[in-house]
Amino acid sequence: EPEVTQTPSHQVTQMGQEVILRCVPISNHLYFYWYRQILGQKVEFLVSFYNNEISEKSEIFDDQFSVERPDGSNFTLKIRSTKLEDSAMYFCASTERSSYNEQFFGPGTRLTVL
Amino acid sequence: RKEVEQDPGPFNVPEGATVAFNCTYSNSASQSFFWYRQDCRKEPKLLMSVYSSGNEDGRFTAQLNRASQYISLLIRDSKLSDSATYLCVATDSSYKLIFGSGTRLLVRP
Repeated sequence: EPEVTQTPSHQVTQMGQEVILRCVPISNHLYFYWYRQILGQKVEFLVSFYNNEISEKSEIFDDQFSVERPDGSNFTLKIRSTKLEDSAMYFCASTERSSYNEQFFGPGTRLTVL
Repeated sequence: RKEVEQDPGPFNVPEGATVAFNCTYSNSASQSFFWYRQDCRKEPKLLMSVYSSGNEDGRFTAQLNRASQYISLLIRDSKLSDSATYLCVATDSSYKLIFGSGTRLLVRP
């Protein structure tokens, strides 16, 4: 069964450093998402991406964040200068169509900012 | 007001019990509704979509009441493996997922 994959599974970084989280969505999917979950809190939407551009972004997704689909398979989330409060699980999700379809989640990257 | 609101629990039930979770949503424009299951430190996984007519999948039954903006999940004959956090999810007008904080279920032997 096709699945969304994410690397790395755990990333530890120093405050102020740049990190890139990588995702490989399911191959025939067209809509891509990043969500995050701070420990003990709910899953929160960060950004959606379709047709090589951002469709929507949340208030959390400020100028420190960017997304890219550099080739036909990878979908990346970059945080330019990490802050302590960026520590969270970051989930990538993809879906075939935006409406009524299940979003399939990757296993997540645990980001720890020291 | 929270967009999707759930009782955090935990619900602690014996094996074989029937347990029901409720959820309310604030955005009347929400189009799609789901129950996701999340195990500790894992990704959310779709349990079932929720339709206006109500739908059943084995031991799981989901109901939607659009007038009351209320969603429910009923689990019959609980198994130990049902222990998890159950996330109520609604989509907004752009179909991004809006998650509730989750209801924790513990099924004991």
